[in-house]
Amino acid sequence: DAGVIQSPRHEVTEMGQEVTLRCKPISGHNSLFWYRQTMMRGLELLIYFNNNVPIDDSGMPEDRFSAKMPNASFSTLKIQPSEPRDSAVYFCASGGRISTDTQYFGPGTRLTVL
Amino acid sequence: GESVGLHLPTLSVQEGDNSIINCAYSNSASDYFIWYKQESGKGPQFIIDIRSNMDKRQGQRVTVLLNKTVKHLSLQIAATQPGDSAVYFCAEVKGNTPLVFGKGTRLSVIA
Repeated sequence: DAGVIQSPRHEVTEMGQEVTLRCKPISGHNSLFWYRQTMMRGLELLIYFNNNVPIDDSGMPEDRFSAKMPNASFSTLKIQPSEPRDSAVYFCASGGRISTDTQYFGPGTRLTVL
Repeated sequence: GESVGLHLPTLSVQEGDNSIINCAYSNSASDYFIWYKQESGKGPQFIIDIRSNMDKRQGQRVTVLLNKTVKHLSLQIAATQPGDSAVYFCAEVKGNTPLVFGKGTRLSVIA
């Protein structure tokens, strides 16, 4: 099993540009989570899906952030427009049938907004 | 590649010694608790979990202890190895809600 796959692994962009982060969860997992990790705030849950449906997006910082899960094998996190304070490592994780089941994390995308 | 904070509590142990990483939690209604390990440049990885109706659970070289009276959780690593150097997070689970992660503790193993 390849585990959770994220792309790109590194992204450097300029302020104001649109950024799209991608995630392929582990096959058979029904829950998908997007996290952001920074020095100051640690690991923050942004949004999570169950059976492709967004369940809770209260962690999404503002309207510039959006996430979609068009099917069971793909999800995107989009930031438009990006700002320097969005610089962080973004993790995608997937889990089993229950939202609180053990989560398996991807390698993360390191985003730098200049 | 760094992915965790520089201001985390840090525990330094000699290779071969036992390590004890502590975590205080706030929700007495949590159903179970999980320990994750995050190595530099990687995502967190599941280590071990424990149900709230248990006091102790053992894995390979790791033991988790739960003290519900004082809302305290600990992870013990036996015969610590250089590969154990990482940031360790405890996480709480309650009902049908996602994990709540703690701030993390950095473990440094001195060879």
